[in-house]
Amino acid sequence: DTAVSQTPKYLVTQMGNDKSIKCEQNLGHDTMYWYKQDSKKFLKIMFSYNNKELIINETVPNRFSPKSPDKAHLNLHINSLELGDSAVYFCASSQGVARVNYNEQFFGPGTRLTVL
Amino acid sequence: RKEVEQDPGPFNVPEGATVAFNCTYSNSASQSFFWYRQDCRKEPKLLMSVYSSGNEDGRFTAQLNRASQYISLLIRDSKLSDSATYLCVVNFYSGGYQKVTFGIGTKLQVIP
Repeated sequence: DTAVSQTPKYLVTQMGNDKSIKCEQNLGHDTMYWYKQDSKKFLKIMFSYNNKELIINETVPNRFSPKSPDKAHLNLHINSLELGDSAVYFCASSQGVARVNYNEQFFGPGTRLTVL
Repeated sequence: RKEVEQDPGPFNVPEGATVAFNCTYSNSASQSFFWYRQDCRKEPKLLMSVYSSGNEDGRFTAQLNRASQYISLLIRDSKLSDSATYLCVVNFYSGGYQKVTFGIGTKLQVIP
């Protein structure tokens, strides 16, 4: 069984389009994240949700809008895609945020976004 | 100064060698520390947590030095399968929530 899954795995699109990436976890975790890994391989947190509530919102253009319909799902919608949005986007989940000993993050396989 | 700094490498070492990576962090109130491993075109996966007293898992040893604000990872008897990028991760807790910061990663290439 896949613990954290993302769709699609690859996404190639034109500048200016709007696209969504979906993420689901079946681990029963309370917290989910979106990360962006750029061409220099730097992994940077974008958003974090705890039980459907946004708790971390790093400096990300407001073209990026996360949505968490329930604690097992965290989707990412991107409006007006730009060339600089090309990257690998990873979803992750972890156990309750307040538990110091249980914050291992489990990552999805990533979505490779290419904007042409 | 970056929150988490690592030497990106690459570190090219022969099989059987011992190799060590360091990672420095800027926030002295950081509370938990981890090493993750990321294979090429794959997702990061937890390698090991880093405890204050140091900890070992087989050929891997992690150390924490709070006074100098760095963590280290030592790999003994390197295998070809150890080739990967090793990411240092630091958590800072505030208001019941964790802020997770990844280092850029150190690339290790083990050569036959």
